Amino acid sequence: GAVVSQHPSWVICKSGTSVKIECRSLDFQATTMFWYRQFPKQSLMLMATSNEGSKATYEQGVEKDKFLINHASLTLSTLTVTSAHPEDSSFYICSALAVAGLIEQFFGPGTRLTVL
Amino acid sequence: KQEVTQIPAALSVPEGENLVLNCSFTDSAIYNLQWFRQDPGKGLTSLLLIQSSQREQTSGRLNASLDKSSGRSTLYIAASQPGDSATYLCAVKDGGATNKLIFGTGTLLAVQP
Repeated sequence: GAVVSQHPSWVICKSGTSVKIECRSLDFQATTMFWYRQFPKQSLMLMATSNEGSKATYEQGVEKDKFLINHASLTLSTLTVTSAHPEDSSFYICSALAVAGLIEQFFGPGTRLTVL
Repeated sequence: KQEVTQIPAALSVPEGENLVLNCSFTDSAIYNLQWFRQDPGKGLTSLLLIQSSQREQTSGRLNASLDKSSGRSTLYIAASQPGDSATYLCAVKDGGATNKLIFGTGTLLAVQP
């Protein structure tokens, strides 16, 4: 199956700093990537849809100025959590959409963000 | 608005038992439904994907069924093993053009040796 990587796998930062998370499709091109967040013992919540070469589409309630998404190439999307606060601590997971006969999302391993 | 619910929220069974996990969704206009496994602190592993035109998919000890008209899917795990312990998530892809996945609430499975 298609492989999606995320970097870093975990990060600890101080309150007020910005953190960038990368999502890469390793063996396929993805015009669309998705960013999810997951709080402990809860399910995945879609934050935004990232489209290569255009602005991301954010879900209701997600601050676009807080969570900056850039999808500059067909294999890379980045999520930057700006001025992070403890309530932003979460597990962030990306997925990349592959279209080859079937339409399927392939998920990255996730990034654990802890804001002190 | 599509809502996906999974029952039970948690399940503990002895090794070797067959079990069924349930997933229900409110809008039957789906493109497909997918079952995932998530180990603690890890990402998602896709288990089975059922297209809206299909009724079931099988992979090894796993069998997933889909009844789109009633808004239900089940994941059947045969001869459970301790290694099956994980959280199981179902997700539906809406029939629209957004390609979004809507995730269920998850079932935490513990298989006791």
